[in-house]
Amino acid sequence: QKEVEQNSGPLSVPEGAIASLNCTYSDRGSQSFFWYRQYSGKSPELIMSIYSNGDKEDGRFTAQLNKASQYVSLLIRDSQPSDSATYLCAVRFVSGGSQGNLIFGKGTKLSVKP
Amino acid sequence: EPEVTQTPSHQVTQMGQEVILRCVPISNHLYFYWYRQILGQKVEFLVSFYNNEISEKSEIFDDQFSVERPDGSNFTLKIRSTKLEDSAMYFCASSEGWGGETQYFGPGTRLLVL
Repeated sequence: QKEVEQNSGPLSVPEGAIASLNCTYSDRGSQSFFWYRQYSGKSPELIMSIYSNGDKEDGRFTAQLNKASQYVSLLIRDSQPSDSATYLCAVRFVSGGSQGNLIFGKGTKLSVKP
Repeated sequence: EPEVTQTPSHQVTQMGQEVILRCVPISNHLYFYWYRQILGQKVEFLVSFYNNEISEKSEIFDDQFSVERPDGSNFTLKIRSTKLEDSAMYFCASSEGWGGETQYFGPGTRLLVL
């Protein structure tokens, strides 16, 4: 059973702080990793993708991947109240009979306090 | 910016009725997906579709479900005889390629089965 685990939160940070969101996954065959943001009642919106070990930065967002530890994280610098949402970690498993659909975690709810 | 569109945004139906959810993927994308999200739960993969046939389907996607690309733009999900537990948000997604390509999600159809 392929699993993606996230702390459901809520994670509360003050405006301007760094928010750190974590995700672990069960299958070493995983190849692609995505962070989506989901506002209540809305669809997932892609924030970042990461495919290789290390850090990837895009504006205020940094994704970190450690395949040996089966761990992926998202850092949000200078957090804004508009960042308040649920952050979904999604992993694409391409192994065995799976051709690569996304497996989602339950999401971490982030609240940025003004 | 191109986006995935879905209709209707909301659908209310009686148990046992058939529903068809419609999606227009991004025009140059070749891979199409349906996901669902029951209220308060994680986003779950239903089915992927490429070259006019199903590529992969989950255990959720049983004989009550079917997908079709009736023309060059639309991609539909049919539920033949809806059950109460089919009540969920249904998301269509598309990607340009396979093997790690980012999937872009539509706004979703909220289905309520009474």
